[in-house]
Amino acid sequence: EAGVAQSPRYKIIEKRQSVAFWCNPISGHATLYWYQQILGQGPKLLIQFQNNGVVDDSQLPKDRFSAERLKGVDSTLKIQPAKLEDSAVYLCASSLELLGGGGTGELFFGEGSRLTVL
Amino acid sequence: LAKTTQPISMDSYEGQEVNITCSHNNIATNDYITWYQQFPSQGPRFIIQGYKTKVTNEVASLFIPADRKSSTLSLPRVSLSDTAVYYCLVGIWGLEAGTALIFGKGTTLSVSS
Repeated sequence: EAGVAQSPRYKIIEKRQSVAFWCNPISGHATLYWYQQILGQGPKLLIQFQNNGVVDDSQLPKDRFSAERLKGVDSTLKIQPAKLEDSAVYLCASSLELLGGGGTGELFFGEGSRLTVL
Repeated sequence: LAKTTQPISMDSYEGQEVNITCSHNNIATNDYITWYQQFPSQGPRFIIQGYKTKVTNEVASLFIPADRKSSTLSLPRVSLSDTAVYYCLVGIWGLEAGTALIFGKGTTLSVSS
């Protein structure tokens, strides 16, 4: 079974430039997540999609970050304009379904996209 | 929103059993406990999940006492390849968006030969 695919793996940009990251979840997974992981910290949830609808984007800095999941499959996370503090690894994850009341809501993560803002 | 507390780091030697304890004093009735493992330059990987008592799979065991205010991840006979960061998450999958999806700082396990 193919895993979660992300690209690019590495990106270096100047501050105030824009960048976009792409994620292709595991086939059939309805829920997709974007996390930001700063060096030395745990992943921080930015946004969660159920199919092509947003479930939770409370931690997404909407003045500069945007994300979409067209047709409920692939997703793109965009940063414009980038700041120095956006340097991090951006992780995409997917899960089979949005479960209620517990269950095996296992998240499958991609390898991440490492962003360096100079 | 259950908050978790884990040791920042732990050291061990190959062949030893490692137990990592996570405190979650305000865990809710419907919350599950899930552990993830993360290697450098990789995304986290699901290890094990449980609700109460003991859960065991081919990789680890999870011990949850009756009051569920803590849990212990047990890794039997660790090897160098078990060196990683281990995260404890507490919450409900899906019922309240985001509650089960919060990672803390994790525990960095270092295994030496």
